[in-house]
Amino acid sequence: KAGVTQTPRYLIKTRGQQVTLSCSPISGHRSVSWYQQTPGQGLQFLFEYFSETQRNKGNFPGRFSGRQFSNSRSEMNVSTLELGDSALYLCASSRLTTGLGYGYTFGSGTRLTVV
Amino acid sequence: SQQGEEDPQALSIQEGENATMNCSYKTSINNLQWYRQNSGRGLVHLILIRSNEREKHSGRLRVTLDTSKKSSSLLITASRAADTASYFCATDIKAAGNKLTFGGGTRVLVKP
Repeated sequence: KAGVTQTPRYLIKTRGQQVTLSCSPISGHRSVSWYQQTPGQGLQFLFEYFSETQRNKGNFPGRFSGRQFSNSRSEMNVSTLELGDSALYLCASSRLTTGLGYGYTFGSGTRLTVV
Repeated sequence: SQQGEEDPQALSIQEGENATMNCSYKTSINNLQWYRQNSGRGLVHLILIRSNEREKHSGRLRVTLDTSKKSSSLLITASRAADTASYFCATDIKAAGNKLTFGGGTRVLVKP
């Protein structure tokens, strides 16, 4: 079966712009979570959606937002981009309502560069 | 903030040798997971160990969990050049929904 699909793979944006990243989870997976990976801060949790509802949010400013559609596809948006937003953004999907034991399937990520 | 710390940060071994890396965490967990990442690509799930388990095997991987010490270890036996990657532990903490908290990772280099 198809894995987690993230688009686009690479993105270059200018400071002050906004960006939207997309994630299509594995068919049947209703939980989608987003992570930011940077050399300085490592892997950090952004937010998680389940059945179109945000259940968890990490410690990121309000410029970072997301949503989930009825088909479980998710988007995250970053407004007013800053240089420090340059990172690899990873999406993960899970079949279960809570992380009770099957792991998460990650996409290949979107590498965002802010110039 | 990161829940876990991994040790060592980097590891260089010869093909055929074993690689061991450790992970410590701070709060009670549902389970602890290990992931591999090749060159800044996506994370690949390797193995999951539940809080009531002490040891788990999957192929050449062996994971241990000591909840009293809040620590885990990942052993890769008979390493291959293809095992060169970064390895991350991630904790799934109680009552947090689907949210993983990652350690800083261990970079493993397996020399042929």
